[in-house]
Amino acid sequence: TQLLEQSPQFLSIQEGENLTVYCNSSSVFSSLQWYRQEPGEGPVLLVTVVTGGEVKKLKRLTFQFGDARKDSSLHITAAQPGDTGLYLCAGDPTPSQNFVFGPGTRLSVLP
Amino acid sequence: DAGITQSPRHKVTETGTPVTLRCHQTENHRYMYWYRQDPGHGLRLIHYSYGVKDTDKGEVSDGYSVSRSKTEDFLLTLESATSSQTSVYFCAIIAGENYNEQFFGPGTRLTVL
Repeated sequence: TQLLEQSPQFLSIQEGENLTVYCNSSSVFSSLQWYRQEPGEGPVLLVTVVTGGEVKKLKRLTFQFGDARKDSSLHITAAQPGDTGLYLCAGDPTPSQNFVFGPGTRLSVLP
Repeated sequence: DAGITQSPRHKVTETGTPVTLRCHQTENHRYMYWYRQDPGHGLRLIHYSYGVKDTDKGEVSDGYSVSRSKTEDFLLTLESATSSQTSVYFCAIIAGENYNEQFFGPGTRLTVL
């Protein structure tokens, strides 16, 4: 059983559409991170959220941390082919500098 | 770029042989991690280090050992490689004022035949 669940597993959309992906857990996290990974490369950190209810924006990407710090969402506005990749959420439940990762959402944005 | 390199980048080996993967960082980070990534599992922690000669086990440590004799290098050893250890291996460090941001190396693709 994964400590962090992500949904959907796969998502294929047309350029210009909006989308939301989710990261859920029954555990509380002291912080939660979102990463994007492209084929053949390591994950790249997009954002860290630490406060319940926190919203952070990174250009067309909006990240929200749930009030109870058990879940998070990533919303992309007007998706572009360059957004294609594997989106991973990760968190530190204790904190202990020991992170757990969700299985990822694989996004494909078609031109 | 957190100055993390991994070597080798690709390796093919046979069952039963020992294999060592190297992670090298240039920015004096205290924490270093080894993960494996397999389809459907995301990234799973193998071992991590919180200082020179200070290491601890992660979720999937069986069959792996690590060593950190100097700050910049973290070695992962498969004592006797098995086909179930075919995977992509990533090294990471922690940065950020709250030690909650990880930065990853480019990965090593290991195939055990």
